[in-house]
Amino acid sequence: SAVISQKPSRDICQRGTSLTIQCQVDSQVTMMFWYRQQPGQSLTLIATANQGSEATYESGFVIDKFPISRPNLTFSTLTVSNMSPEDSSIYLCSVAYGTGFGANVLTFGAGSRLTVL
Amino acid sequence: GQSLEQPSEVTAVEGAIVQINCTYQTSGFYGLSWYQQHDGGAPTFLSYNALDGLEETGRFSSFLSRSDSYGYLLLQELQMKDSASYFCAVRASGNTGKLIFGQGTTLQVKP
Repeated sequence: SAVISQKPSRDICQRGTSLTIQCQVDSQVTMMFWYRQQPGQSLTLIATANQGSEATYESGFVIDKFPISRPNLTFSTLTVSNMSPEDSSIYLCSVAYGTGFGANVLTFGAGSRLTVL
Repeated sequence: GQSLEQPSEVTAVEGAIVQINCTYQTSGFYGLSWYQQHDGGAPTFLSYNALDGLEETGRFSSFLSRSDSYGYLLLQELQMKDSASYFCAVRASGNTGKLIFGQGTTLQVKP
């Protein structure tokens, strides 16, 4: 399985600022996925990060608020822009194992816990 | 809309067996997965069912009935370390990374 490194692991941010979260995978993967988990809640997919093309955003998430970069097959960043307290969440990077059965298994990074004051 | 329902909390004692149910209503269905998340940790994959029936992996088993839009996770010989949140998740599209997660079931294992 892939090993995913995410940073920062946690941060406290001021309202109106932006923060970029980095995700590094130890192997090349076609797609990387960014999820959000609000306190005590479930996980919601923000977007799929594709190498060499724009990210695909889910309903309710927009590029201006959550710009994503995917410069190569092992790295992606998610920026949370113009933060408000409602953005306080855990942001998780994930990848699928590969093809066949593995395509249905997600490996998650440890997450970045953001608190917006 | 698309939704998954699972109980919010379950309590059981060490050594016991517990079943966590999940019913789903989604526009598409490519499989039902289960993930475990300890407090402060990342979700980790437990089991996956694409076809009807039971899948067994050690102390954990997962069942799916597509006709009933229903599945469950069965945990046997409960251990204290099994105390965690358990999420069912449906892959509802061809995008392999797009999972729709349930709200999670918090399992508390007591001595």
